[in-house]
Amino acid sequence: QKEVEQNSGPLSVPEGAIASLNCTYSDRGSQSFFWYRQYSGKSPELIMFIYSNGDKEDGRFTAQLNKASQYVSLLIRDSQPSDSATYLCAILNTGTASKLTFGTGTRLQVTL
Amino acid sequence: DAGVIQSPRHEVTEMGQEVTLRCKPISGHNSLFWYRQTMMRGLELLIYFNNNVPIDDSGMPEDRFSAKMPNASFSTLKIQPSEPRDSAVYFCASSSLRTGTGEQYFGPGTRLTVT
Repeated sequence: QKEVEQNSGPLSVPEGAIASLNCTYSDRGSQSFFWYRQYSGKSPELIMFIYSNGDKEDGRFTAQLNKASQYVSLLIRDSQPSDSATYLCAILNTGTASKLTFGTGTRLQVTL
Repeated sequence: DAGVIQSPRHEVTEMGQEVTLRCKPISGHNSLFWYRQTMMRGLELLIYFNNNVPIDDSGMPEDRFSAKMPNASFSTLKIQPSEPRDSAVYFCASSSLRTGTGEQYFGPGTRLTVT
């Protein structure tokens, strides 16, 4: 079992809809969880991080964490074509102060 | 504020040549990471440093790869000799141990092509 799993997609949503991206992880001790966005040919860009159960909102983005079920999700409201990118989920490895394990990413396509 | 700086942005070299990639982390950050990204293997952690000390180099593919961090503001990743299968985008990222939350910030990457 991979440590961090994501559906590779592509996930296609129409403009203006809510995009829901999901991630499951195996390390129960993980304390911090991250979402990165990566445009084609660019570097990963940090969107949000969350470490408490529940929701965290930042503009059109909401991260949701459920430690009991070991999943973290990212909701993008009012999806725009500019949101089309690959979204990487990452967890902070237990017992390390800084090492992240990344999923393989979900490709999101927002259609007109 | 300046982000993570990497150089060169693009490198084309012939098989067998030495390649050196450079990274300057965000000022004040004390963790530094080298990643490699390919279509086939995704984003792979090669090595990381905390306070200039290598902590985990288990991702370094073989002895041809080496990394150093002589001071808090500079790191190098060297491949000697290079091979075509080393062609990839190499990212450097940095974070601050002081925050305790672990978020990393990536540089723009170096696209390496070995012919």
